[in-house]
Amino acid sequence: NAGVTQTPKFRILKIGQSMTLQCTQDMNHNYMYWYRQDPGMGLKLIYYSVGAGITDKGEVPNGYNVSRSTTEDFPLRLELAAPSQTSVYFCASSYSMGQGGQPQHFGDGTRLSIL
Amino acid sequence: GQQVMQIPQYQHVQEGEDFTTYCNSSTTLSNIQWYKQRPGGHPVFLIQLVKSGEVKKQKRLTFQFGEAKKNSSLHITATQTTDVGTYFCAGKYMEYGNKLVFGAGTILRVKS
Repeated sequence: NAGVTQTPKFRILKIGQSMTLQCTQDMNHNYMYWYRQDPGMGLKLIYYSVGAGITDKGEVPNGYNVSRSTTEDFPLRLELAAPSQTSVYFCASSYSMGQGGQPQHFGDGTRLSIL
Repeated sequence: GQQVMQIPQYQHVQEGEDFTTYCNSSTTLSNIQWYKQRPGGHPVFLIQLVKSGEVKKQKRLTFQFGEAKKNSSLHITATQTTDVGTYFCAGKYMEYGNKLVFGAGTILRVKS
């Protein structure tokens, strides 16, 4: 029972490079999310998706792009890496996002350093 | 924008002591969730509170949701070393499309 799988687990990038963080889930969840976690700052929502083909911005979307071509996959793209994007990135999924709510299931995270 | 304030930022307790973390919002929440993140790990869902004044218990953990649905607390009785980690509250606001807004978290360290 894999749940939410993120790759890679660690990465070092140079300023200006680009990369894609991969996220896949096998729980058939419609809702998927990308967060970044900086020390002492909690988790900030970057982008989210309510289903295949539908994405929307969260609180801190600048410098990132996403796509959702399938229910399972929700990759996050950094186009021009900047030191401010050094962070731990978590992908999560949930069955729903309504008021009643469902828990979000998180991947193990990608630790990204930009030098 | 919506913001959930969480205090304290950090607490170091002796094993067996109690621990409490608090979350506050300036506006009404539709519900609140609590997550635990072990050092080096990922957030793991603990519980969700929906109703005004709701109290839920999980063994030594007691969760409360305020009457006005603007605050919440997590209380751990008689802490153990396995309780070490960061505890996050995450609130939902209907006007924010029910996306989760995370507090900054409270780091709990337990001395044995």
